[in-house]
Amino acid sequence: GDSVTQMEGPVTLSEEAFLTINCTYTATGYPSLFWYVQYPGEGLQLLLKATKADDKGSNKGFEATYRKETTSFHLEKGSVQVSDSAVYFCALISSGSARQLTFGSGTQLTVLP
Amino acid sequence: DAGVTQSPTHLIKTRGQQVTLRCSPKSGHDTVSWYQQALGQGPQFIFQYYEEEERQRGNFPDRFSGHQFPNYSSELNVNALLLGDSALYLCASSSTAGSYNEQFFGPGTRLTVL
Repeated sequence: GDSVTQMEGPVTLSEEAFLTINCTYTATGYPSLFWYVQYPGEGLQLLLKATKADDKGSNKGFEATYRKETTSFHLEKGSVQVSDSAVYFCALISSGSARQLTFGSGTQLTVLP
Repeated sequence: DAGVTQSPTHLIKTRGQQVTLRCSPKSGHDTVSWYQQALGQGPQFIFQYYEEEERQRGNFPDRFSGHQFPNYSSELNVNALLLGDSALYLCASSSTAGSYNEQFFGPGTRLTVL
């Protein structure tokens, strides 16, 4: 079945540091890939997405590239801010799943001033 | 646009009881999905409703059931509650129109089973 493996956390960085959160997946067909963010006490918000190989999703300074050859979708940001502190989830929807999202276990990011 | 709303925000029940959680989808959306998020884990898909029918179901027992109403709102029912049902329950809505069906999440209902 479909699965998503995320880099274990928690991750603690200083403000303006470079961020990478690794994500790899297993899925049938050609899945769509997503990064969601969850701020404390809130639901999930879509951060970015990519729907086909070599697509780059980007939003709020975050980027991730759909790499079919390595089945990866790593999240990056060049300079993190304290306000980026949250839990980040990698997720996919595979072509045969009727739009069921499969999530990774999440990575807690804390950015210190 | 109110977005996806869920009620109640928090709920405390005891083992063996039954609970009903409610979700109103984003305006213009016709599909509702439910997810269970245990503490420190990613959300797990419970089921999805479209046209008032369960379209797909995840790996959850029959104690978990749902309903979708003609106005697209939805309920999640859990019977014979267990301690392990304590979690954040998330509702997500989407639209079948178009080729890409982004799911929008509500703030969730925090269920505690004692």
